[in-house]
Amino acid sequence: KAGVTQTPRYLIKTRGQQVTLSCSPISGHRSVSWYQQTPGQGLQFLFEYFSETQRNKGNFPGRFSGRQFSNSRSEMNVSTLELGDSALYLCASSESSGVHEQYFGPGTRLTVT
Amino acid sequence: DQQVKQNSPSLSVQEGRISILNCDYTNSMFDYFLWYKKYPAEGPTFLISISSIKDKNEDGRFTVFLNKSAKHLSLHIVPSQPGDSAVYFCAASVSGTYKYIFGTGTRLKVLA
Repeated sequence: KAGVTQTPRYLIKTRGQQVTLSCSPISGHRSVSWYQQTPGQGLQFLFEYFSETQRNKGNFPGRFSGRQFSNSRSEMNVSTLELGDSALYLCASSESSGVHEQYFGPGTRLTVT
Repeated sequence: DQQVKQNSPSLSVQEGRISILNCDYTNSMFDYFLWYKKYPAEGPTFLISISSIKDKNEDGRFTVFLNKSAKHLSLHIVPSQPGDSAVYFCAASVSGTYKYIFGTGTRLKVLA
């Protein structure tokens, strides 16, 4: 099976702009989670989707949003970008709600200037 | 509030010796724990997990130990190999919350 794919891999945006990142989970996986990774902070949980429903959300401002489509693909959007949003954004998928192991994509490196 | 802590940012070990990576947590509701390995420019790769009903889980060279009373888990890699050099993250979850809390990672360097 193909792994988790994320597009684009690299992105440079300017403060105040908005950005949309995409994640395609492993075929058959219905749960998709998003994380932000910054130096020294580890992976910070953004949100998790299952069957197009957001089931949990991390402690991020409302500028961060996401959605999941019927084919389990997911997008996350960040509006009004700030310099501090520069990070690696990782997407992970898992088979179902009862399975804990998550499989990560390579991430999207977002740089805000 | 860092609920999952990896207090050692880095660790160096000689090839063939044991690597021990530690992780502490504060939330007693956590009931599932995972370890991931991450190479540069790649996403984390799942290594091994343990449920709170167990105190040990083994998979080849990797063993995870859980001490619930101390809220501490550790990952043992025996024998360590140069290819094990990576950043290791522990993560914890409360079943049914669909939310995983990660530590800040420990960079392991295995010296040949």
